[in-house]
Amino acid sequence: DAGITQSPRHKVTETGTPVTLRCHQTENHRYMYWYRQDPGHGLRLIHYSYGVKDTDKGEVSDGYSVSRSKTEDFLLTLESATSSQTSVYFCATAGLQETQYFGPGTRLLVL
Amino acid sequence: EDQVTQSPEALRLQEGESSSLNCSYTVSGLRGLFWYRQDPGKGPEFLFTLYSAGEEKEKERLKATLTKKESFLHITAPKPEDSATYLCAVQANRDDKIIFGKGTRLHILP
Repeated sequence: DAGITQSPRHKVTETGTPVTLRCHQTENHRYMYWYRQDPGHGLRLIHYSYGVKDTDKGEVSDGYSVSRSKTEDFLLTLESATSSQTSVYFCATAGLQETQYFGPGTRLLVL
Repeated sequence: EDQVTQSPEALRLQEGESSSLNCSYTVSGLRGLFWYRQDPGKGPEFLFTLYSAGEEKEKERLKATLTKKESFLHITAPKPEDSATYLCAVQANRDDKIIFGKGTRLHILP
């Protein structure tokens, strides 16, 4: 398994506050991804990165921003959290091959 | 538009009762089709990657097959520990992204 950690693992926050989720990998994988998983929708891509400082939008990017200043770290920021962003967030990484490996997830509750 | 549809949404089997999960896909130029297993409260765990029609891969009681329009995950003589949600995903040749289906929840009764 790729060495992927996510922090925090659980977070409760209030509407309107900024939130940053961190993904850290030890595999030196080029690609990193942020997904959200919601009942009835499955996994949906928020943003992804194909290298340091190289990022692109996914299917559900509105309200989210990302940054990747080092190969090993990929940050997801909710600038002003809303209740619709309550979800489970997963980070994934991929090397030269296409297979993505997932982290353990972060459960976010926005009140 | 690239699309992945999994069926059934949920499946209950008795221990030892073999069955298959279906993943139908539409993609312009398949780079790869992926199967994952997800246990409650955990991230998806990689199972298989298939690249071309006719390809098959096996792991313990699981076998994945691929045609030009669909993939099957065959489960032979399942055990209760095989209970999980199984996710299918596809990647197009032109893309760095993969698209996931909504999954099949499998429950194996002892």
